[in-house]
Amino acid sequence: DIQMTQSPSSLSASVGDRVTITCRASQGISYYLAWYQQRPGRVPKLLIYGASTLQSGVPSRFSGSGSGTDFTLTISSLQPEDVATYYCQKYNSAPLTFGGGTKVEIK
Amino acid sequence: EVQLVQSGAEVKKPGESLKISCKGSGYSFISYWIGWVRQMPGKGLEWMGIIYPGDSDTRYSPSFQGQVTISADKSISTAYLQWSSLKASDTAIYYCARVASITYWYFDLWGRGTLVTVSS
Repeated sequence: DIQMTQSPSSLSASVGDRVTITCRASQGISYYLAWYQQRPGRVPKLLIYGASTLQSGVPSRFSGSGSGTDFTLTISSLQPEDVATYYCQKYNSAPLTFGGGTKVEIK
Repeated sequence: EVQLVQSGAEVKKPGESLKISCKGSGYSFISYWIGWVRQMPGKGLEWMGIIYPGDSDTRYSPSFQGQVTISADKSISTAYLQWSSLKASDTAIYYCARVASITYWYFDLWGRGTLVTVSS
């Protein structure tokens, strides 16, 4: 089965900083990659699908890129409400594995 | 309103059985796969499996195959996750989530989660 590896596992940045999270698949998955945000104590929320398509209602400071095995989620200007854990997920075929998560905090 | 409503929190003893539910409303329940995701305390998301309520086609993660049973009753727009013999390590929040489309299997709608606590 394909493994999904996220890095870093956690990061601390200042408000307004540009933040980048990476997700690597152990085999190519084309563009079948989604990103989710889970704020503390909340339900996961879809941010991006198709590696780069923003879900309706998601702020434009979020963006995704990549295809094949290497993907990134970028927050262009970190806001206090972005404190959360972010997960990638492959969905080209079952099992629909999640990455281990990246916890984003404010410095 | 399009939503998934999950059953309430459960407290069980090791060895007991359990079936939790996820009811879809506001959309055609039989036309979308429904998945289950585990989140153990302080840990990440784990994909357990998915079911297509239209014909009960089910796919399991290798990690959960044989450990749980996923089912659905399309007549009442409800999906289920069940255990025959719970273990303390089953303590977690369990989310159901709707798969976005037949072709693209990401989750676009999530239930609020069911907390399952297994303790003697």
